[in-house]
Amino acid sequence: GQQLNQSPQSMFIQEGEDVSMNCTSSSIFNTWLWYKQDPGEGPVLLIALYKAGELTSNGRLTAQFGITRKDSFLNISASIPSDVGIYFCAGQLYFNKFYFGSGTKLNVKP
Amino acid sequence: DTAVSQTPKYLVTQMGNDKSIKCEQNLGHDTMYWYKQDSKKFLKIMFSYNNKELIINETVPNRFSPKSPDKAHLNLHINSLELGDSAVYFCASSPTLLAGHHTQYFGPGTRLTVL
Repeated sequence: GQQLNQSPQSMFIQEGEDVSMNCTSSSIFNTWLWYKQDPGEGPVLLIALYKAGELTSNGRLTAQFGITRKDSFLNISASIPSDVGIYFCAGQLYFNKFYFGSGTKLNVKP
Repeated sequence: DTAVSQTPKYLVTQMGNDKSIKCEQNLGHDTMYWYKQDSKKFLKIMFSYNNKELIINETVPNRFSPKSPDKAHLNLHINSLELGDSAVYFCASSPTLLAGHHTQYFGPGTRLTVL
């Protein structure tokens, strides 16, 4: 199957700092999705991107669909303790089939 | 109002048993999925159904059999459970394949522990 490389694997940051994480693929995707997963819960959709170069915000979160269609990044500004969790990228190629990155575990120190 | 729901939340069972996990979505979506999340949190697609028809089957042992009685339900039956089946299983759903913008919504997960 498709491999999505998500980095970094984990981050330890201070409350108030900005965070950046990204996903790269060897293949072109038509859609990029970003999710957050809290412990014991299912992934929750944060942002969906549908067009190369698209930049979309959701509150303190901003994500971009890379111009080559092989990458995407997610930024979180002014992090707060409730941002703690695992962030996943997912790329969609065809037939509603989604491939997931390995996740970025975010830890925020108050 | 739960969008994608799964039961049970936790399932502990002995090796060799047969068990089922149920999933329901009230979003009116046409496509439903089962994913397996391992201990390293990697999410791997297992199956996908569109309007009760199997469209994705990702090299899953045939001990795993999905069943979709209608487009709002996708159940997963597992025969002869093995230790390696221990994982969190997530159900998800997506709007129709014909829609231009693809999204996917997940259920809360079922933690399966095989002893």
